[in-house]
Amino acid sequence: AQSVTQLDSQVPVFEEAPVELRCNYSSSVSVYLFWYVQYPNQGLQLLLKYLSGSTLVKGINGFEAEFNKSQTSFHLRKPSVHISDTAEYFCAVSPFYGGATNKLIFGTGTLLAVQP
Amino acid sequence: SQTIHQWPATLVQPVGSPLSLECTVEGTSNPNLYWYRQAAGRGLQLLFYSVGIGQISSEVPQNLSASRPQDRQFILSSKKLLLSDSGFYLCAWSPGQGPFLGTEAFFGQGTRLTVV
Repeated sequence: AQSVTQLDSQVPVFEEAPVELRCNYSSSVSVYLFWYVQYPNQGLQLLLKYLSGSTLVKGINGFEAEFNKSQTSFHLRKPSVHISDTAEYFCAVSPFYGGATNKLIFGTGTLLAVQP
Repeated sequence: SQTIHQWPATLVQPVGSPLSLECTVEGTSNPNLYWYRQAAGRGLQLLFYSVGIGQISSEVPQNLSASRPQDRQFILSSKKLLLSDSGFYLCAWSPGQGPFLGTEAFFGQGTRLTVV
């Protein structure tokens, strides 16, 4: 079975400061990794994903994440946040078996609260 | 391009009443389909997923059921709602099995269900 842990339920940060949202996962098989963002009362939007190759992946809105296989982590970072980045962020994994995938498993989410 | 429609956006239902939430996808075929529930402060919980017509996998035992009567239609139902069924329900789709690797999911705008 797979699981995703987002230890921080809420991260307050001042505008223009850097931020890191942590994500750790557990899986007995290889996984793809994702970060999604959810604005209030809306669906989820993909920020970035790691499938293979370079462990540093860049996404939309200036976010990036680094895959660390030994630590089973996929932390999300942004060097300078804006008020508009205030939202809930979800880390997710998709296990794959022989090339086929059919599940996305999410963490509990981290609320990023950007203050002026 | 692909689009996903989910309705209604909000719903208030009395305890013991039936439920039917509908989700349809356009612009793709053979998608994987998902129902998630997001309860306050609890992240996204995968309820059901489907890899084809009539094929439903349930992730957690509950008061809900799902059906896929057509390739791009996914329905979430309940015969008798409980107070604990309140939450934000999200439908999503991802490309089905095939050469595409990395099942990025695309989400609907969600349904806010309040059981009173």
